[in-house]
Amino acid sequence: GAVVSQHPSRVICKSGTSVKIECRSLDFQATTMFWYRQFPKKSLMLMATSNEGSKATYEQGVEKDKFLINHASLTLSTLTVTSAHPEDSSFYICSAPVPGQNGGGYTFGSGTRLTVV
Amino acid sequence: LAKTTQPISMDSYEGQEVNITCSHNNIATNDYITWYQQFPSQGPRFIIQGYKTKVTNEVASLFIPADRKSSTLSLPRVSLSDTAVYYCLVGALNYGGSQGNLIFGKGTKLSVKP
Repeated sequence: GAVVSQHPSRVICKSGTSVKIECRSLDFQATTMFWYRQFPKKSLMLMATSNEGSKATYEQGVEKDKFLINHASLTLSTLTVTSAHPEDSSFYICSAPVPGQNGGGYTFGSGTRLTVV
Repeated sequence: LAKTTQPISMDSYEGQEVNITCSHNNIATNDYITWYQQFPSQGPRFIIQGYKTKVTNEVASLFIPADRKSSTLSLPRVSLSDTAVYYCLVGALNYGGSQGNLIFGKGTKLSVKP
């Protein structure tokens, strides 16, 4: 089946530094990928839609200059958390539509636990 | 996008059948209904998807009434490993054209006890 590989699975960084999270579609092409963040015991919140070859679309309230998204190829999307602060600590998850499935057949990465100290 | 409403939590015992109902009163004609399972510190995992009537796969069944304003995920004979959060999502995806975003509701936390 369609698999999305997300790396790293966990990362600890110092305040003020930047962290890059990668999301790769392993056996299919994804013109669109989605990035979510999830706080403890909360649901997933859509942050942005990553579009191959064009600018990402950000949800209301998400700072585009802080969460840089790049979708340079049909199999790779990256999320860079710039100038990270402790409040950016969260669980970040990417997803992509599964080819051939309609209306919600999405495959998700395993997530990245970001801790900013 | 249609908004969904699910019970916040449910308890069950091993071996029982569990039914989780989701309300989606504003579902659109081209919306599908999809259920996901999420374990702590993992990404959601696809369980089942349907448009109308009944769908069954190796892990679950999905019942959708004619008006499609609700759906019920049925998990037969649950085990301790089925303890997770279950999300019901509705959305349309025209793969050849516009892409639909998936908005997660609060989900249902299922706790299976021995």
